[in-house]
Amino acid sequence: DIQMTQSPSTLSASVGDRVTITCRASQSISSWLAWYQQKPGKAPKLLIYKASSLESGVPSRFSGSGSGTEFTLTISSLQPDDFATYYCQQYNSRALTFGGGTKVEIK
Amino acid sequence: QVQLVQSGAEVKKPGASVKVSCKVSGYTLTELSMHWVRQAPGKGLEWMGGFDPEDGETIYAQKFQGRVTMTEDTSTDTAYMELSSLRSEDTAVYYCANSGSYYEFDYWGQGTLVTVSS
Repeated sequence: DIQMTQSPSTLSASVGDRVTITCRASQSISSWLAWYQQKPGKAPKLLIYKASSLESGVPSRFSGSGSGTEFTLTISSLQPDDFATYYCQQYNSRALTFGGGTKVEIK
Repeated sequence: QVQLVQSGAEVKKPGASVKVSCKVSGYTLTELSMHWVRQAPGKGLEWMGGFDPEDGETIYAQKFQGRVTMTEDTSTDTAYMELSSLRSEDTAVYYCANSGSYYEFDYWGQGTLVTVSS
């Protein structure tokens, strides 16, 4: 199975900060990567698919980039509603896998 | 708009089986590709398996092969996930989720907590 490694595992930031989360795949997955936001007690919410395509209704401060084995999720100006845990997920192979998650905390 | 509504929380003893349902509304189940993802308490997301429209088959994560069965009742637009030989490590919230065009999960159920305890 393809392993997905996210970094950092925890990130402390302030409102207005630019935040970047990285996801690395153990082998090339082309652009077949999605990003999710999850808040406590809630189901994950799709933010980005195909590495850089913004899901309908998601604020434009979220963006995704990368291809091959290295990907980033960027929040251009962190808002109070953005404090949550973020996951990447690859779907290049029939064995889909998620990264371990990055918790974005208030600094 | 797709809505996925799951069955309620379950408490099971080790060795038992559990069957979780996921009722679809807004679309028919045949228009969707349903998958199941679980999340143990305080842990990350783990894909269990789902319908692959490329070959029309249900695919399972190797970890759950032989212990999980995913079925669909198209007459009621309800998907099911049955997990057998439960152990304490199976305690988790189980989600159904629709897979979009690129195998991203665009719609999710609200989750069903399954607790395995003697």
